[in-house]
Amino acid sequence: EVQLVESGGGLVQPGGSLRLSCAASGFIFGTYWMSWVRQAPGKGLEWVANIKQDGSEKYYVDSVKGRFTISRDNAKNSLYLQMNSLRAEDTAVYYCARGRLYMDVWGKGTTVTVSS
Amino acid sequence: EIVMTQSPATLSVSPGEGATLSCRASQSVSSNLAWYQQRPGQAPRLLIYGASTRATGIPARFSGSGSGTEFTLTISSLQSEDFAVYYCQQYNNWPHTFGQGTKVEIK
Repeated sequence: EVQLVESGGGLVQPGGSLRLSCAASGFIFGTYWMSWVRQAPGKGLEWVANIKQDGSEKYYVDSVKGRFTISRDNAKNSLYLQMNSLRAEDTAVYYCARGRLYMDVWGKGTTVTVSS
Repeated sequence: EIVMTQSPATLSVSPGEGATLSCRASQSVSSNLAWYQQRPGQAPRLLIYGASTRATGIPARFSGSGSGTEFTLTISSLQSEDFAVYYCQQYNNWPHTFGQGTKVEIK
């Protein structure tokens, strides 16, 4: 079964850091672009970042550039999102998703809350 | 950044009836458009890509059309599991942007 499972969310103070992880199974992880998409409470979807199969290309939405870093470890079938200098507006459910253009497999998400 | 505008915000439909959802792009995205369904408390699910190609396992009652700046998702004969929020997403230009969603509710 193709599956993505996120972890690492939680409550963090403004200015703090958090590292999200996504464990992939059921497909050859290293052959796919991967993405992070977030959804603020009661709001729509926002694509955050994506990464090429070998990690050589990475793209970010402007609002997270310089603060978030996407990475991957193909040997561990894992995707990561390092989030620094977190702000209240980063509060959201963060989804790991397979794909670069459109996303055909999604995890259930992990919740990040930025609050003092 | 390309702005995606969906209409209506909410659509009230009786089970068994059809529904037509619209998505407009602020500039041409060719056919580089996807549709997703999100049921309450669940992750999004890919329905359509390339504006009109159904994703694997998606029932034939879902169909997409359009190109350029105007797109439509049509659901024929709504089933109980189809009441959800639907999002369009363009992937023609970075950043890839989503519409704000259309909620299809039971009338």
